[in-house]
Amino acid sequence: DIQMTQSPSSLSASVGDRVTITCRASQSISSYLNWYQQKPGKAPKLLIYAASSLQSGVPSRFSGSGSGTDFTLTISSLQPEDFATYYCQQSYRFTFGPGTKVDIK
Amino acid sequence: QVQLVQSGAEVKKPGASVKVSCKASGYTFTSYGISWVRQAPGQGLEWMGWISAYNGNTNYAQKLQGRVTMTTDTSTSTAYMELRSLRSDDTAVYYCARNWITTSDYGDYEAFDIWGQGTMVTVSS
Repeated sequence: DIQMTQSPSSLSASVGDRVTITCRASQSISSYLNWYQQKPGKAPKLLIYAASSLQSGVPSRFSGSGSGTDFTLTISSLQPEDFATYYCQQSYRFTFGPGTKVDIK
Repeated sequence: QVQLVQSGAEVKKPGASVKVSCKASGYTFTSYGISWVRQAPGQGLEWMGWISAYNGNTNYAQKLQGRVTMTTDTSTSTAYMELRSLRSDDTAVYYCARNWITTSDYGDYEAFDIWGQGTMVTVSS
């Protein structure tokens, strides 16, 4: 099975900061990688699909990159509504990474 | 609008079964698959399996094989997930999600673009 890891597991940041989250697959998954945002008590929301494609309606401050085994999610200028947990997901067998919690510094 | 609406919270005893429903609206139900994802309290997301609303084909996560059954009723645009022989570690919020596929020159990419609101299932004696 393909295992997904994320780093860091949590981070503290300020509004306006540039934030980068890393996701690594245990074997190559080409660009079959999605990113989701989840706020407490809410269902996850799709942000990025196919490693770098922005889902409709998602602000352009979110971007994704990478292929093979190493991927990143970048928030160019953190906004108050971005404090949440972020999950990567490989779309071969839909395994999720363990999540990265972004909270307020 | 496009939405998935799930059934309400459940409390079950160990060894019992639970069946959660997920009613789709705003799109052609049989054109998409439905996945089920669960989240234990304070934990991450776990994919449980997928069902094609077109032909009923299923693909279950290996750890749940034999305990989970996913079905659909196309007449009501509703998907169901039944989990049997419940244990305390099955306590979780259960989500349904629509499998959305987009095609590019490089291949078909699949993601979960619409999610239900979640159903809390508590297993306790």
